Amino acid sequence: DTAVSQTPKYLVTQMGNDKSIKCEQNLGHDTMYWYKQDSKKFLKIMFSYNNKELIINETVPNRFSPKSPDKAHLNLHINSLELGDSAVYFCASSPRTSSNEQFFGPGTRLTVL
Amino acid sequence: ILNVEQSPQSLHVQEGDSTNFTCSFPSSNFYALHWYRWETAKSPEALFVMTLNGDEKKKGRISATLNTKEGYSYLYIKGSQPEDSATYLCASPGKAGTALIFGKGTTLSVSS
Repeated sequence: DTAVSQTPKYLVTQMGNDKSIKCEQNLGHDTMYWYKQDSKKFLKIMFSYNNKELIINETVPNRFSPKSPDKAHLNLHINSLELGDSAVYFCASSPRTSSNEQFFGPGTRLTVL
Repeated sequence: ILNVEQSPQSLHVQEGDSTNFTCSFPSSNFYALHWYRWETAKSPEALFVMTLNGDEKKKGRISATLNTKEGYSYLYIKGSQPEDSATYLCASPGKAGTALIFGKGTTLSVSS
């Protein structure tokens, strides 16, 4: 059973399009996250979200928006895609504990042409 | 903004060598220190989460120590094997229970 899943695994699209990446976790965790892996393989937090609070990294363009239909899902919507958005996006979740151990999805490689 | 630094950036060792990497973080407002192992084309997997000064954790040939007063953690691998080849990330939350701030990782390559 996959704990944190993402779809699609690969996404190739044209500049200017709007796209979504889905994330689901079956671990019963309270908090979910989106990270972006840049060209230097550096993981950077974009959003963290539980059912009460959305925390946005201020460096994330407002073309990116998280949408959570329920506690088990956190989808990432991207409007007006740009070439620089090409990256691998990882979803993660964590329980509400002091350790905050995070469980990562397999990643979605987004390529903007 | 929390800054997590790792060194070295990359490391190449021979099978059977023991090795270690360093993670440094601000010692003030410390909440936790995480180590993750990240293999190519896979997602990061948690190795250790440490919260107490002096903590030492072990999983097989891999162990980690934590010094919160001086702001560093070491990851040790004893008798490196080719399957240990991966990028090792350390991370710390900016606040309790929040997203992790990752270091840039140490990429280990073990040749047989």
